[in-house]
Amino acid sequence: AQSVTQPDIHITVSEGASLELRCNYSYGATPYLFWYVQSPGQGLQLLLKYFSGDTLVQGIKGFEAEFKRSQSSFNLRKPSVHWSDAAEYFCAVGAATGGYNKLIFGAGTRLAVHP
Amino acid sequence: GAVVSQHPSWVICKSGTSVKIECRSLDFQATTMFWYRQFPKQSLMLMATSNEGSKATYEQGVEKDKFLINHASLTLSTLTVTSAHPEDSSFYICSARDPGGGQETQYFGPGTRLLVL
Repeated sequence: AQSVTQPDIHITVSEGASLELRCNYSYGATPYLFWYVQSPGQGLQLLLKYFSGDTLVQGIKGFEAEFKRSQSSFNLRKPSVHWSDAAEYFCAVGAATGGYNKLIFGAGTRLAVHP
Repeated sequence: GAVVSQHPSWVICKSGTSVKIECRSLDFQATTMFWYRQFPKQSLMLMATSNEGSKATYEQGVEKDKFLINHASLTLSTLTVTSAHPEDSSFYICSARDPGGGQETQYFGPGTRLLVL
């Protein structure tokens, strides 16, 4: 069965520090992978996605993620975190069903940023 | 980019009443929309997949008679929580699939917070 694991429930970093959020997936075929961000009380905003091709994907707000098939991982990175990056981050895998993809989400990682 | 709206953004209702939540794709046609439920500090759980002009597909454990979904047009899907009870209080989020973008991507609405008293 498809699944997504985000091992870190909560991460705290200092403003200006680098960030890496971990994501591991379980999926039988080549996955469609996504990272979304959710601010408190808000919906989800798409940060980036991987479908095929270059395994290093650039997204919005200075985020990037690298697909590593051998490790079944799709970790999210940012070289320098801003206070406005504090939010909940969700990794998701698209599971093919009936001609489209259902999204299976990880449990999320809550990011806190210290000034 | 693709924009999805939800209305209302929050609603408070009495136990036993029904509540309708609308989800609209504003600048694209969405043949498929999805409804999720999110409990505090938890991830999103897919409730059902809504296809325009056909019956919704519900996930295991979701009561289809409790959560009525209608997808009457390519830009509108509605979720009606019938005879709501306090345990139905939650954050409901919809998303819409935009196949026109060339890739399979879901765009999310801002969510509707439901409180049943």
